[in-house]
Amino acid sequence: DQQVKQNSPSLSVQEGRISILNCDYTNSMFDYFLWYKKYPAEGPTFLISISSIKDKNEDGRFTVFLNKSAKHLSLHIVPSQPGDSAVYFCAASALGDMRFGAGTRLTVKP
Amino acid sequence: DTAVSQTPKYLVTQMGNDKSIKCEQNLGHDTMYWYKQDSKKFLKIMFSYNNKELIINETVPNRFSPKSPDKAHLNLHINSLELGDSAVYFCASSRGQGARNEQFFGPGTRLTVL
Repeated sequence: DQQVKQNSPSLSVQEGRISILNCDYTNSMFDYFLWYKKYPAEGPTFLISISSIKDKNEDGRFTVFLNKSAKHLSLHIVPSQPGDSAVYFCAASALGDMRFGAGTRLTVKP
Repeated sequence: DTAVSQTPKYLVTQMGNDKSIKCEQNLGHDTMYWYKQDSKKFLKIMFSYNNKELIINETVPNRFSPKSPDKAHLNLHINSLELGDSAVYFCASSRGQGARNEQFFGPGTRLTVL
């Protein structure tokens, strides 16, 4: 019962272009959403989050969009840089219980 | 200085053995977690402790027993290891409970059960 799904296991983007990572969820009780970034041999690190009362949150090159009616969120990275190459996990939370997706491996080519 | 550390980084063992993974955080956080990343790469919460008290216990076999001797440590003991226990285990900590408190993860422990 995977309540948070990242249907694209991998994404490859040219440096300088936009990267769009997608995430879908099934539980309408989720009210807080996060993106974590993970480099090989390291634990995930927090990247950006959004509350369900908003539909957009921006932090530098990173923007998260939330579409509650579609139960969909996305992470936009623009412009993409080679250092952004990592696995990105989407997470959603309800009442303190946090669920993660399986991750999308982003490769940014120079 | 490592904020959240786990030992060992790699653990290879035989079925039926008992093993422990240690976790320490030096962030002064009140809440600590154990996650399992399975073969399908999903990160699943196993346990959550707040001030040494168990808060979340997902449907994890009772062969897994967390122990929190103090706020800075949350160790994971696994008895009678099975092949399906092979995974990467991540420890994490946060200032308080709830997703709005950023979680800081350790580097992970890759457990391989032969």
